[in-house]
Amino acid sequence: SAVISQKPSRDICQRGTSLTIQCQVDSQVTMMFWYRQQPGQSLTLIATANQGSEATYESGFVIDKFPISRPNLTFSTLTVSNMSPEDSSIYLCSVPLSSPGLGWADTQYFGPGTRLTVL
Amino acid sequence: DAKTTQPPSMDCAEGRAANLPCNHSTISGNEYVYWYRQIHSQGPQYIIHGLKNNETNEMASLIITEDRKSSTLILPHATLRDTAVYYCIVFDKLIFGTGTRLQVFP
Repeated sequence: SAVISQKPSRDICQRGTSLTIQCQVDSQVTMMFWYRQQPGQSLTLIATANQGSEATYESGFVIDKFPISRPNLTFSTLTVSNMSPEDSSIYLCSVPLSSPGLGWADTQYFGPGTRLTVL
Repeated sequence: DAKTTQPPSMDCAEGRAANLPCNHSTISGNEYVYWYRQIHSQGPQYIIHGLKNNETNEMASLIITEDRKSSTLILPHATLRDTAVYYCIVFDKLIFGTGTRLQVFP
């Protein structure tokens, strides 16, 4: 398994401001994923962050709104820019790790999430 | 889009087996079936995954049909702590559907 931590665990922000969420992993991983979970909803993949390259965004998410950094193999940040109340969600990072005994299939581990409330 | 279909909710008595179904009729030959669960206010937790053989670990069993178009997650002796939303995912990227909200009652 992996130990994944996120900072902050929660925050309350004003509309129009930006918040940067940090994700730290205790092992080196090539890929990291960022998800959003709006209240009462399932998880939605925002983007895939590979070290050394630009993040790949899913449909409906753009770099100007959710810039991502991936400076090394154990760390990533997601910024929620120019926030509005609709951005109130839990934001989670996750990493895939190889599962021994099941070939190439990876098990994905999730951080505890950052609960963001925008007023 | 999620490639799976699950019932939105299920109930199970404590101590009984919980059988959670999932349909994935468009699964391709090299795609694994993953199960995760999310207990309220926590990040998703990996449970089990498989390709075509049935799998068992300390948490659950996974039964995959021969044609691989559906699977069932079995919690053999459900406890109140198993109350959660259970997600069945066919792994391309980890795209979550709406899941099954399992309520275990005393």
